Amino acid sequence: QKEVEQDPGPLSVPEGAIVSLNCTYSNSAFQYFMWYRQYSRKGPELLMYTYSSGNKEDGRFTAQVDKSSKYISLFIRDSQPSDSATYLCAMSVSSYKLIFGSGTRLLVRP
Amino acid sequence: EAGVTQFPSHSVIEKGQTVTLRCDPISGHDNLYWYRRVMGKEIKFLLHFVKESKQDESGMPNNRFLAERTGGTYSTLKVQPAELEDSGVYFCASSLGKHEQYFGPGTRLTVT
Repeated sequence: QKEVEQDPGPLSVPEGAIVSLNCTYSNSAFQYFMWYRQYSRKGPELLMYTYSSGNKEDGRFTAQVDKSSKYISLFIRDSQPSDSATYLCAMSVSSYKLIFGSGTRLLVRP
Repeated sequence: EAGVTQFPSHSVIEKGQTVTLRCDPISGHDNLYWYRRVMGKEIKFLLHFVKESKQDESGMPNNRFLAERTGGTYSTLKVQPAELEDSGVYFCASSLGKHEQYFGPGTRLTVT
């Protein structure tokens, strides 16, 4: 069983929709949770960084961590075609060694 | 501020040859990491430097891989001799202490 599970998609939504992306994990020692966005043939770009549980908001993006359920989410409001990319969750015990999900491919249709 | 840079962007080599990948971290970042994504798999951790010291190399696949970070600035990852299963995208990342990791664009390695 993988430490971090993420639905590969693809997830296709119309422009303006609210997107919900999720990851589950098995290691209860994880304390640091990140979301990265990766465009084709580019490196992962950090979107959100959260320590422990709770919510964090940055513009159209909201990250949620539920440690009791071992479940993290990324919400994108008012999605745009430019949001079309692969979204990777990553987590860590120490913030150094990141464990990644396999990524969810998102397509926002104009 | 310049981001993490990696060179080359793409390398094609034959099985048995040697390849050296280079990473230049963000200036001032003491922590440098190497990760790898092979086809169809998730990105996996290879190792972590703090300045010039290896803190964690638990992800290095075998002794054909050698990472160095002389002087605590740029880092190199050498694969010698390369095997077919080494093909993938090699990412470098850097961070300022115990904080967010910023990734470079990656080096796509193809071993034929």
